[in-house]
Amino acid sequence: GENVEQHPSTLSVQEGDSAVIKCTYSDSASNYFPWYKQELGKRPQLIIDIRSNVGEKKDQRIAVTLNKTAKHFSLHITETQPEDSAVYFCAARATGGGNKLTFGTGTQLKVEL
Amino acid sequence: KAGVTQTPRYLIKTRGQQVTLSCSPISGHRSVSWYQQTPGQGLQFLFEYFSETQRNKGNFPGRFSGRQFSNSRSEMNVSTLELGDSALYLCASSLGTVPLEQYFGPGTRLTVT
Repeated sequence: GENVEQHPSTLSVQEGDSAVIKCTYSDSASNYFPWYKQELGKRPQLIIDIRSNVGEKKDQRIAVTLNKTAKHFSLHITETQPEDSAVYFCAARATGGGNKLTFGTGTQLKVEL
Repeated sequence: KAGVTQTPRYLIKTRGQQVTLSCSPISGHRSVSWYQQTPGQGLQFLFEYFSETQRNKGNFPGRFSGRQFSNSRSEMNVSTLELGDSALYLCASSLGTVPLEQYFGPGTRLTVT
């Protein structure tokens, strides 16, 4: 089955700096890659996603890139703010797998003032 | 539209008991997926229901079961509870077809003593 690895497990940046979180997946049939942000005690919130026919997608300060050949995808957050502090999860959905998402282990992002 | 709702929000049960959790998806969504979230194992897929049929199942024992009703509301049941079943149980709602976005409910925090 699908396996998703996520790095780093913790990331500390200064306010205003950029943050990058990387994920790799194992199933070449995966075609949909969402990213979720989970604040303490709250539900995971979908913040951006990318489909396998697209290499990059941006939404204001966040962007996601996908390299299908290498089976890598990354989340980029620019101009980080304290409210970006949370746990971020990447996930992958394989073709034919219904809506099953396989999640990475999460990255605890801390944005320091 | 109202978001995904889950009831109850908190539960305390003892080993050997059974429990039923409920999830109401976003209006118009036909797919409900269930995930277990624990600090040690992260987010793990339990099963997905689409139009009252189980479409996919994760690697959990048969003590975990679910169903979906004609109004798309879903329930999951855990029988013969074990201490290791203590977790946050999240459901995610989606259309079930393209687009693929899944939106999570607030979760049910289950504690087994």
